[in-house]
Amino acid sequence: DTGVSQDPRHKITKRGQNVTFRCDPISEHNRLYWYRQTLGQGPEFLTYFQNEAQLEKSRLLSDRFSAERPKGSFSTLEIQRTEQGDSAMYLCASNIQGTNEKLFFGSGTQLSVL
Amino acid sequence: GENVEQHPSTLSVQEGDSAVIKCTYSDSASNYFPWYKQELGKGPQLIIDIRSNVGEKKDQRIAVTLNKTAKHFSLHITETQPEDSAVYFCAASRGNQGGKLIFGQGTELSVKP
Repeated sequence: DTGVSQDPRHKITKRGQNVTFRCDPISEHNRLYWYRQTLGQGPEFLTYFQNEAQLEKSRLLSDRFSAERPKGSFSTLEIQRTEQGDSAMYLCASNIQGTNEKLFFGSGTQLSVL
Repeated sequence: GENVEQHPSTLSVQEGDSAVIKCTYSDSASNYFPWYKQELGKGPQLIIDIRSNVGEKKDQRIAVTLNKTAKHFSLHITETQPEDSAVYFCAASRGNQGGKLIFGQGTELSVKP
């Protein structure tokens, strides 16, 4: 069990650029979640997948954000036309459906939009 | 909407003392209440959780209590150690919403040696 892995750990980009983050969940976990955390706040739910199906999206997820999990394993989160307000830590988490919701988080991708 | 309030935002204790962090939730349908510890540059790590059918749960120096009537739950850390210094988050969810957690704002705990 290698834990939830996220790449890259840090990303600096200029406003208007597109960025993509990757998450590899714990191998046997069929649910994968994306959260966003800004400085001094708790994580906020963005979206989640069960296998390859995206089951829920928060209203925080504007149309500039898109997430995929094409084969039910790793997931990508893309932000198009980044804005300074997108600067945050993007956290990925995973669990197994029906296992009491115990959620395991990765170390996150810290995005800075200049 | 659903909301979780957490207090205090910062807490400083001497090594060996106890620390208590309190949370209240608004959604009466919430039935799962985890606590996470987050160290600098890392993701949140689950340290203990409790379900609504249990009033108290303990794991070594850590305990959590739940008052469903008052919609309060608390984290108790006894015999604090410097390595307990971190940001602690409470969270709540409905059981049928999987890992969709509503987090509190966090408590920065500092344990002074």
